[in-house]
Amino acid sequence: AQKITQTQPGMFVQEKEAVTLDCTYDTSDPSYGLFWYKQPSSGEMIFLIYQGSYDQQNATEGRYSLNFQKARKSANLVISASQLGDSAMYFCAMREGRAAGNKLTFGGGTRVLVKP
Amino acid sequence: GAVVSQHPSRVICKSGTSVKIECRSLDFQATTMFWYRQFPKQSLMLMATSNEGSKATYEQGVEKDKFLINHASLTLSTLTVTSAHPEDSSFYICSARAVTSGDRNTQYFGPGTRLTVL
Repeated sequence: AQKITQTQPGMFVQEKEAVTLDCTYDTSDPSYGLFWYKQPSSGEMIFLIYQGSYDQQNATEGRYSLNFQKARKSANLVISASQLGDSAMYFCAMREGRAAGNKLTFGGGTRVLVKP
Repeated sequence: GAVVSQHPSRVICKSGTSVKIECRSLDFQATTMFWYRQFPKQSLMLMATSNEGSKATYEQGVEKDKFLINHASLTLSTLTVTSAHPEDSSFYICSARAVTSGDRNTQYFGPGTRLTVL
């Protein structure tokens, strides 16, 4: 079974509007971390936001917020006030276990294109 | 945030040759580095976990004799693609884990190396 699933291969969003990127995960480990990365056409992986499995509140980082629904095992990324520079691939990833050295498993990604 | 570099950023080689890719943590020490491969329009797939001073741990399906990993110091890991073939053409990305960090985001990614095998 897929550990990380991103069901939206691609989506368009109008500039200045908000967009939600879906991510569901599967793990039996009670301790895990969820990450979102942005990958522009240059290829670099840019860290956006992190949510720990024991965190009580949803994570927020500027225009990025994570809608963490633990019972549903979903960790959707919300980008508010989209900008043209937000056009990129977005990957959801999970780290299982407490150790920061544990490997990341990535979802298939969602390509976002922001329209002017 | 912490900086990870990769060299070269782009390499083109002939089939049958070997290619070495370096991953360096520039401002922190990394006990663990990870090597990923990304084919066009696909996600990142972990190839191996590299620990300083010990043998790398390879993911299932990754040939350890073809993809040689050496993590000789706390700031450098190398991936050597031996006897490269066109099907090895891909984007190779490393990430590094800091030795001591209370930071939740403790894996820092390099900019990637695009390998093209002719």
